[in-house]
Amino acid sequence: DVKVTQSSRYLVKRTGEKVFLECVQDMDHENMFWYRQDPGLGLRLIYFSYDVKMKEKGDIPEGYSVSREKKERFSLILESASTNQTSMYLCASSPLGSTYRGDNEQFFGPGTRLTVL
Amino acid sequence: AQTVTQSQPEMSVQEAETVTLSCTYDTSESDYYLFWYKQPPSRQMILVIRQEAYKQQNATENRFSVNFQKAAKSFSLKISDSQLGDAAMYFCAFKSQGGSEKLVFGKGTKLTVNP
Repeated sequence: DVKVTQSSRYLVKRTGEKVFLECVQDMDHENMFWYRQDPGLGLRLIYFSYDVKMKEKGDIPEGYSVSREKKERFSLILESASTNQTSMYLCASSPLGSTYRGDNEQFFGPGTRLTVL
Repeated sequence: AQTVTQSQPEMSVQEAETVTLSCTYDTSESDYYLFWYKQPPSRQMILVIRQEAYKQQNATENRFSVNFQKAAKSFSLKISDSQLGDAAMYFCAFKSQGGSEKLVFGKGTKLTVNP
């Protein structure tokens, strides 16, 4: 089974702090994603990565950065946390070239609920 | 850009009954994938069912089936013989056939199953 894990289920930080959210997948997937989930807004893509050291902005990248130094690990960084970044953060992974093989499912982690005070 | 619309923020169903969740999408592409994901309370999001746009036959997975109307750009999810464990947020998602691996999600439908 594909396993996507996230470093924390719950996190409380203060305004202005630098925050790191870690995601690890164990299925050698090339693609990794960070989403933000808010009530009434669904899932919105922050960043994704299709290879080590490669990244692409999603729909709401402002205030966030990412790092992918190893294939299995994708980090989301809040450089200076703000209260409007209080949210549920979901990480996901999928295999590359999945479009052509049909196995294009994204596998999700359990989520990190971040509160910024 | 593609958009996905789920017009029912909340739905409820009696145990053992059937419920249909609606999803419409907007795209100019002819080849794409559609998905329904389930997110139980405090649990991980999992894939329920997927549909390739080039396939005319509607996908089914046990008690879950879809009604895919390509011309109408509609992709509804039918849950038969509803069970208490079906209570969850359900998200409809769209993925292009080529290019980006990104999913575009709807805002979700919260399904309550009443005993």
